[in-house]
Amino acid sequence: NAGVTQTPKFQVLKTGQSMTLQCAQDMNHEYMSWYRQDPGMGLRLIHYSVGAGITDQGEVPNGYNVSRSTTEDFPLRLLSAAPSQTSVYFCASSTRQGGAFFGQGTRLTVV
Amino acid sequence: SQKIEQNSEALNIQEGKTATLTCNYTNYSPAYLQWYRQDPGRGPVFLLLIRENEKEKRKERLKVTFDTTLKQSLFHITASQPADSATYLCLSPDSWGKLQFGAGTQVVVTP
Repeated sequence: NAGVTQTPKFQVLKTGQSMTLQCAQDMNHEYMSWYRQDPGMGLRLIHYSVGAGITDQGEVPNGYNVSRSTTEDFPLRLLSAAPSQTSVYFCASSTRQGGAFFGQGTRLTVV
Repeated sequence: SQKIEQNSEALNIQEGKTATLTCNYTNYSPAYLQWYRQDPGRGPVFLLLIRENEKEKRKERLKVTFDTTLKQSLFHITASQPADSATYLCLSPDSWGKLQFGAGTQVVVTP
């Protein structure tokens, strides 16, 4: 099993550009989420989904969009990148009360 | 507001001793708590889950307790080893089901 696959691993964007971070899982988990982690800080929830077609906002949703058209995929879209969005992004999937599996992370720099 | 908090101060401990980490929650009663390990540059890795009706859970040298009266979970690493050095995170669902991480506690085990 691949588990949770995030792409790309690294990305540099210019201010104002848009992009999509991809996240796919092959474990048939209903729950998927996106977090960002800034240097020396904990993980903050951006958006999450409890199943295909259902998404909701987390702690820091501004500037990000998500959709969940399939159980497997949960892409995160940056609408207009800002330097404040420079961070490491993690995607995770889990069953409703099970431990979460995390992707390898995407290191995003906005210049 | 509903919060989950961990001691942000690093825990320095000598090899062979027991490391004890604390996770406190306020203004809600989570159905469960999870503990994760995160190494630098990597995504968190799930370690243990404890439900509100469980007092204690063990996995090898790890032990987790859940005290709903104190609104606290304790995470113990017994017979600690330098390889246990990492940041340890607790996670719980809030009243709306959003999964929230604590900020994490860094553990440094010295030989």
